[in-house]
Amino acid sequence: EAQVTQNPRYLITVTGKKLTVTCSQNMNHEYMSWYRQDPGLGLRQIYYSMNVEVTDKGDVPEGYKVSRKEKRNFPLILESPSPNQTSLYFCASSSRWPAGANVLTFGAGSRLTVL
Amino acid sequence: QKEVEQNSGPLSVPEGAIASLNCTYSDRGSQSFFWYRQYSGKSPELIMFIYSNGDKEDGRFTAQLNKASQYVSLLIRDSQPSDSATYLCAVMGSGAQKLVFGQGTRLTINP
Repeated sequence: EAQVTQNPRYLITVTGKKLTVTCSQNMNHEYMSWYRQDPGLGLRQIYYSMNVEVTDKGDVPEGYKVSRKEKRNFPLILESPSPNQTSLYFCASSSRWPAGANVLTFGAGSRLTVL
Repeated sequence: QKEVEQNSGPLSVPEGAIASLNCTYSDRGSQSFFWYRQYSGKSPELIMFIYSNGDKEDGRFTAQLNKASQYVSLLIRDSQPSDSATYLCAVMGSGAQKLVFGQGTRLTINP
């Protein structure tokens, strides 16, 4: 089954404790992206990657890092999490960027709470 | 001014009626426009996309685009309770690198 898999789905952590949210897709997509979703603010892009070893900042990159060493994986790293990073995170991928139908396939989401 | 704006709602519509969801965008050079549906606690799923001015129909859904007015809408005919969800408008900007989402409109269909 074609899918984007995120882990963990739920995580409660404490301020300053480094964590990684993994994202993997099995569709051979070139484009991958991370979003965070907060009430009243919609989906905001954190980082995106056009292909292996090519990453760029989105709208809200502060406090996050990413890497794209393999085509299928795009982990999101929080080096020193803070409470304002408490959010619902979505990873998404696409094979036809920038144009084309069926643009983004989303993962199931990772709900992160930073105490 | 937000890049993509939607009325956050909630929008309440009786079952069987037409639900109308609206979205405006600021980048006049935007080329592609998408509507995603998101059920509570779930990930967004693509409903429709539209590139050209005018209407595009797919079953009970119609997307309307007016580039001169920088306005895109989604009509849902014969609304069903299962249509109750948050609807996200997304716009591909002129740089074609980023998909910008609106804050979403929460729609409730009342039986």
